[in-house]
Amino acid sequence: EPEVTQTPSHQVTQMGQEVILRCVPISNHLYFYWYRQILGQKVEFLVSFYNNEISEKSEIFDDQFSVERPDGSNFTLKIRSTKLEDSAMYFCASSEGGTGTDTQYFGPGTRLTVL
Amino acid sequence: LAKTTQPISMDSYEGQEVNITCSHNNIATNDYITWYQQFPSQGPRFIIQGYKTKVTNEVASLFIPADRKSSTLSLPRVSLSDTAVYYCLVGRSNDYKLSFGAGTTVTVRA
Repeated sequence: EPEVTQTPSHQVTQMGQEVILRCVPISNHLYFYWYRQILGQKVEFLVSFYNNEISEKSEIFDDQFSVERPDGSNFTLKIRSTKLEDSAMYFCASSEGGTGTDTQYFGPGTRLTVL
Repeated sequence: LAKTTQPISMDSYEGQEVNITCSHNNIATNDYITWYQQFPSQGPRFIIQGYKTKVTNEVASLFIPADRKSSTLSLPRVSLSDTAVYYCLVGRSNDYKLSFGAGTTVTVRA
C-alpha cells in the first residue's frame, strides 16, 4: 500500500537555526498538508498546498514557516529561525482530492526538538 | 465547525467490542463524520467516515442516528494492538482542513 514518508524521523536543532522537514506524499495525490502536535496536545493544522501554492494556512503558520514542492515528489516545510515552542511532532499528509470527504494519509512524523 | 465531545479514555479487554460515542450537537447539513486512529509517535490514520445511518468496513462500524447529533464508532473484538487514541472529527464536505480534538484513549488489556 502506498504511504507518505517523512525524513528525518528526529531532528535536534539549536534555537534560531533553520530546519527543513521533508515529506514524500503518495504519488498520485494532489493536495498536501502539514500538521503539528506538541507533546500531549492536539494535532493542529498548519498549512495546505495545492497546484504549487498555499491554499490555506492557520495562524500558527507565520512568516517563519514556508512550504515548497521543489520537485515532482518532495514536499518540504522550512522553519527559518526555530524557537523553543516549535518543538513538536510534524506530520505531513496528502490526499487525492481536496474535499472534506477525501481521506488524508499521514506520514510517520518528524520529531523536532529545539534546544 | 461543529464541536465534538467524546470520552477522554476507555478501558477494554482483548476480544471485547469497544463502542466510542461522540457528541456533535451542532452538526450542519453538509458535515461529514470521520474517525481517525493514532498510535503513540505515529501519524493519525483514517478509520471510517459516514454521513448517516451505518457504515462498515473491514476495521470498524460507524453508527449515526437520524438526528446526526452523535455517532458511535464500534471496534469489534479488539486486540492489544488496538490500544490507541481515537478521534472523532466533524467537517464540511468542502473543507479539507482536519480539526482534531483531544480524542479518546482506548487501552486494551490482556
